[in-house]
Amino acid sequence: EVQLLESGGGLVQPGGSRRLSCTTSGFTFSLYAMNWVRQAPGKGLEWVSGIIGSGDTTYNTDSVKGRFTITRDNSQNSVYLQMNSLRADDTAVYYCARSWKLGSGLDYWGQGTLVTVSS
Amino acid sequence: SSVLTQPPSVSVAPGKTASVTCGGDNIGSMSVHWYHQKPGQAPVLVIQHDSDRPSGIPERFSGSKSGNTATLTITRVEAGDEADYYCQVWSRTSSSDHSVFGTGTKVTVL
Repeated sequence: EVQLLESGGGLVQPGGSRRLSCTTSGFTFSLYAMNWVRQAPGKGLEWVSGIIGSGDTTYNTDSVKGRFTITRDNSQNSVYLQMNSLRADDTAVYYCARSWKLGSGLDYWGQGTLVTVSS
Repeated sequence: SSVLTQPPSVSVAPGKTASVTCGGDNIGSMSVHWYHQKPGQAPVLVIQHDSDRPSGIPERFSGSKSGNTATLTITRVEAGDEADYYCQVWSRTSSSDHSVFGTGTKVTVL
């Protein structure tokens, strides 16, 4: 059974940093691209970052470029999102999601972890 | 970056057909994926690559595309289909590649 489990959410002050983790099981992790998608309270979905299976190539949405970094550890079947210089508008539930490649549909999702940026 | 426009809401009676549209520049040249999301839950992929239905998704769900508009069609609508629906594409630009979700449509079953 494919499973994705996010962790690392919580309350962080503006300008602070947070590292999210997504631990997976039930599939050959290195064969799949991984994505982070966020959803602000009461709002729609926003794709944040993506990384290919080897980890060699990453992409980010414009609003997080220079602040967020996606990485993966295929030996640990995990993907990470390092978030720096956090702002109030980064407050959201952050989901990790699997795709066959970047550009394919996101076929499995975690349950999400809430990041709240507030003083 | 690309903007994908969806109607904010669609209402449909049980047993009838609901259509959710997704419009955007150059969408005709992109693969469109569709998700539904119920309150408090993670999204679920219901259509990928314009019209392909993932395993476990009922045949009542179908996708199509014409010009710069993609459409998700739900036939024989059930109460359990009430959810928010989002389209998604992967956009390739001269500056960078990225993914974009539509603005979302709340489907209400009357």
